[in-house]
Amino acid sequence: KAGVTQTPRYLIKTRGQQVTLSCSPISGHRSVSWYQQTPGQGLQFLFEYFSETQRNKGNFPGRFSGRQFSNSRSEMNVSTLELGDSALYLCASSLEGLAGADTQYFGPGTRLTVL
Amino acid sequence: GQQVMQIPQYQHVQEGEDFTTYCNSSTTLSNIQWYKQRPGGHPVFLIQLVKSGEVKKQKRLTFQFGEAKKNSSLHITATQTTDVGTYFCAGNSGGGADGLTFGKGTHLIIQP
Repeated sequence: KAGVTQTPRYLIKTRGQQVTLSCSPISGHRSVSWYQQTPGQGLQFLFEYFSETQRNKGNFPGRFSGRQFSNSRSEMNVSTLELGDSALYLCASSLEGLAGADTQYFGPGTRLTVL
Repeated sequence: GQQVMQIPQYQHVQEGEDFTTYCNSSTTLSNIQWYKQRPGGHPVFLIQLVKSGEVKKQKRLTFQFGEAKKNSSLHITATQTTDVGTYFCAGNSGGGADGLTFGKGTHLIIQP
């Protein structure tokens, strides 16, 4: 089976712009979770989508949003970028998601740099 | 919200020495997961512990889940250079706003 894929792998944006990141889960997985990883804060949970519905949401501002499509692919959007949004954004897929205590399979991440 | 504390932040060992990292959650967990992230890589799932007092072994790695399901540890016996990386625990409260709450990780540095 192919693993979790994320596109793009690297992205450079300027403050005030918006960005959309994409995640394709492992075939058959219905849950996609998004995480932000920074050296200072570590790995922080953004949100989880399951069968096109947001099931859980972490403590991030409304500038961070996401969605999931019928084929389970997910996108994450960050509007009005700030310097502090520079991070590695990771998505993880699983069969039944966090409520099912499933193994999370992480993608390689998208490295976002905000200038 | 749920917090997961992990210590130590860094651990330097000589190759062949043992290594242990500890996690403590502010709340009772549904389960705890452990991940390893190599430099420049992404987290890779190692194991999941669900039952109170559970102990699992994977070759030289031993994982424990506390009786109260609030703490956990990972112990590596006789470290090898391939063990280098950051080890994260992640507490799962079974859903909700906390999602999967990661500890800050322990960076394992091995000196040959």
